[in-house]
Amino acid sequence: SAVISQKPSRDICQRGTSLTIQCQVDSQVTMMFWYRQQPGQSLTLIATANQGSEATYESGFVIDKFPISRPNLTFSTLTVSNMSPEDSSIYLCSAMTGYGYTFGSGTRLTVV
Amino acid sequence: AQTVTQSQPEMSVQEAETVTLSCTYDTSESDYYLFWYKQPPSRQMILVIRQEAYKQQNATENRFSVNFQKAAKSFSLKISDSQLGDAAMYFCALPKGGSEKLVFGKGMKLTVNP
Repeated sequence: SAVISQKPSRDICQRGTSLTIQCQVDSQVTMMFWYRQQPGQSLTLIATANQGSEATYESGFVIDKFPISRPNLTFSTLTVSNMSPEDSSIYLCSAMTGYGYTFGSGTRLTVV
Repeated sequence: AQTVTQSQPEMSVQEAETVTLSCTYDTSESDYYLFWYKQPPSRQMILVIRQEAYKQQNATENRFSVNFQKAAKSFSLKISDSQLGDAAMYFCALPKGGSEKLVFGKGMKLTVNP
């Protein structure tokens, strides 16, 4: 099955700054997904990223806060903008690959 | 709308014993996949098993098997011969109708006691 490399694995950021998370897939995939996992909770879908078109955001998430890029079929980035402590979470990328959905290893973000 | 319910937030099992994790769901689709994912403290989401709704036969992967009851919309995971490495959060998931977007249950924390 495919492998998704996600980085950074963790970061501590100052409030008001932005962080860009990158995911690289070792095969071409049509759609990539970005999730947020708040402490002790389940995964919530932020947006779906298709190559060559604007990302589709779920209710409660907006492009200005979470801009996404999808320049090709193997790569995507998620930026968390103008961060506040409430953005402290794990962020994961995912893609449907073969048997099921493969996930990146996650980015643990702490905003201070 | 798709919903996935895991009603037990935590369970524990003795090493080498068997444990069953429950999951119920709601969907208007007739053909769909169901998934169980495991998330150890490393936070990596690991696919445990997949069930195709049109298959009556329950999926099995080594020590992991499911009890899929389509009419009851129930999808439980049985772990046999539990090992310390099975300790993790377990999530049941289902694609949102007509899309590839996964909807997750709230998760269940499994503790394995030596």
